[in-house]
Amino acid sequence: NAGVTQTPKFRVLKTGQSMTLLCAQDMNHEYMYWYRQDPGMGLRLIHYSVGEGTTAKGEVPDGYNVSRLKKQNFLLGLESAAPSQTSVYFCASSLLSGANVLTFGAGSRLTVL
Amino acid sequence: SQKIEQNSEALNIQEGKTATLTCNYTNYSPAYLQWYRQDPGRGPVFLLLIRENEKEKRKERLKVTFDTTLKQSLFHITASQPADSATYLCGYGNNRLAFGKGNQVVVIP
Repeated sequence: NAGVTQTPKFRVLKTGQSMTLLCAQDMNHEYMYWYRQDPGMGLRLIHYSVGEGTTAKGEVPDGYNVSRLKKQNFLLGLESAAPSQTSVYFCASSLLSGANVLTFGAGSRLTVL
Repeated sequence: SQKIEQNSEALNIQEGKTATLTCNYTNYSPAYLQWYRQDPGRGPVFLLLIRENEKEKRKERLKVTFDTTLKQSLFHITASQPADSATYLCGYGNNRLAFGKGNQVVVIP
């Protein structure tokens, strides 16, 4: 099992460009999440999904969009990248809600110039 | 709003000693707390989960306590080793897990 796979691992964008981060999990998990991690800020939830075809806003959703067309995939999009979106992005998944243990991907480091 | 706090200062500890980390929460009564380990350049990895009706949970050299009166969880690494050096994250919530900023532990040989 690969677990949670994120692509790309690294990306450099110019301000105003768009891009999509892909998260794929092979554990048949219902819940999927996108977090960003910045120095001194810890992990902050951007968007999450409680099942295929559903998405919901997290703590810091502005400037991001997501889609969960297939259960195993959760896409994070930046329509017009800004330097403030320079961060490390982590995708995670969990089987269910409640005492849901998260399995994280390795992260995607995004730099916006 | 939910708030979860961890001491952001690094904890330097001598090998063999016990490292103790604190996680405090406010404005919420979580049914459980989770602890994760994160190594540089990697994603967090789950370590332990403790429920509100459990006072203590152990896994090998790790121990977690949960005090709902103090709104606090303590994370202990006993007989610490250099390989335990990492950042440890506290998290809580239901379908939206919120995390503290993490606590870096440096075990000195």
